[in-house]
Amino acid sequence: GENVEQHPSTLSVQEGDSAVIKCTYSDSASNYFPWYKQELGKRPQLIIDIRSNVGEKKDQRIAVTLNKTAKHFSLHITETQPEDSAVYFCAASNTGGFKTIFGAGTRLFVKA
Amino acid sequence: DVKVTQSSRYLVKRTGEKVFLECVQDMDHENMFWYRQDPGLGLRLIYFSYDVKMKEKGDIPEGYSVSREKKERFSLILESASTNQTSMYLCASSWVRGGTEAFFGQGTRLTVV
Repeated sequence: GENVEQHPSTLSVQEGDSAVIKCTYSDSASNYFPWYKQELGKRPQLIIDIRSNVGEKKDQRIAVTLNKTAKHFSLHITETQPEDSAVYFCAASNTGGFKTIFGAGTRLFVKA
Repeated sequence: DVKVTQSSRYLVKRTGEKVFLECVQDMDHENMFWYRQDPGLGLRLIYFSYDVKMKEKGDIPEGYSVSREKKERFSLILESASTNQTSMYLCASSWVRGGTEAFFGQGTRLTVV
């Protein structure tokens, strides 16, 4: 069946450094790729998303890149801050269907 | 502001009990979902519904059922709770069809003893 693989499972960086989380997906029909952030004890919330007609999208310190040919997409966080510490989930879905497939999550630690 | 509200934050139930988890959304969303969250396994889809009285199995439906009698409410039912169903359960809703943001509830941490 369809799946989304996410790496790494844990990432520890120094404050101010960059963090990169990578995902690959298997369903070639996928055309919507959201990223969710889940802080400790809170609900997942959308932080950025990208659609298949775009290769890159940026929102302040966060950017997402998509390579449809290779079925890869990545989250880039620059100038990391302690409040970026959370679990990040990538996901893939398609506008013709209902299901969203989530990656297993990456626990990001930003050390002050 | 979209609100997805789950009826309980924490639940403790005994093995064999029938358990109901309730979820209500206030944005007139067509789609509603139940996920199970376990460390290292991410969010796994149990069931989803794209309309009133409609339901579809997700990836791990065994031991669960759902009910959607009204558009705003989606219930997850554990027919006979077992210890391996101890987990965090997240409800979510979204606009019709895929390709849109999912809004999550705050989660219900269920412990089956």
